[in-house]
Amino acid sequence: DAKTTQPPSMDCAEGRAANLPCNHSTISGNEYVYWYRQIHSQGPQYIIHGLKNNETNEMASLIITEDRKSSTLILPHATLRDTAVYYCIVRVASTGNQFYFGTGTSLTVIP
Amino acid sequence: NAGVTQTPKFRILKIGQSMTLQCAQDMNHNYMYWYRQDPGMGLKLIYYSVGAGITDKGEVPNGYNVSRSTTEDFPLRLELAAPSQTSVYFCASTRQGSNSPLHFGNGTRLTVT
Repeated sequence: DAKTTQPPSMDCAEGRAANLPCNHSTISGNEYVYWYRQIHSQGPQYIIHGLKNNETNEMASLIITEDRKSSTLILPHATLRDTAVYYCIVRVASTGNQFYFGTGTSLTVIP
Repeated sequence: NAGVTQTPKFRILKIGQSMTLQCAQDMNHNYMYWYRQDPGMGLKLIYYSVGAGITDKGEVPNGYNVSRSTTEDFPLRLELAAPSQTSVYFCASTRQGSNSPLHFGNGTRLTVT
């Protein structure tokens, strides 16, 4: 079962920062938070992941709260091509290291 | 590297037919996964494997079978296709360890009529 909760949809003006929240209140100490996005019905695309420190790469920034119960994905300057469904996932620290996807947040970037 | 390759891209089956969805990866990943995605929904884990000869059930395994005879290949078998199995199927792989992202294939769109 999905271990994360996300708002079903969000809008963002083109050029502005998009801040996508995620709750993962049952996360364990050694479980990573991953973010993926999916455009139309393509395979999900990896964006970023983190354990407890904030992370940044060429696509986005990930802010994880100190208690690790929630996180925020930041797209600093949203473009129309960022319109997609964004999934926040906790990678289960078990034998299979399963990734359980929820229903995600549908982000629409508005011109 | 080709990454994760899925075949076929599209398939239409009649009720009761069987088929195998192929998945291969060339990244020497131990862990492989099969997901299905119904229209407007998130991905549901069907089966996964942590290495050759080892498979286990995910959230929605009924109606499917898998095998893992090599590190590279992880085929998904539908024995008696049903309309409820109409979906997009994604295969993914990753390295062992929780600090490694999933790599996805481009999916197989299956319609059962």
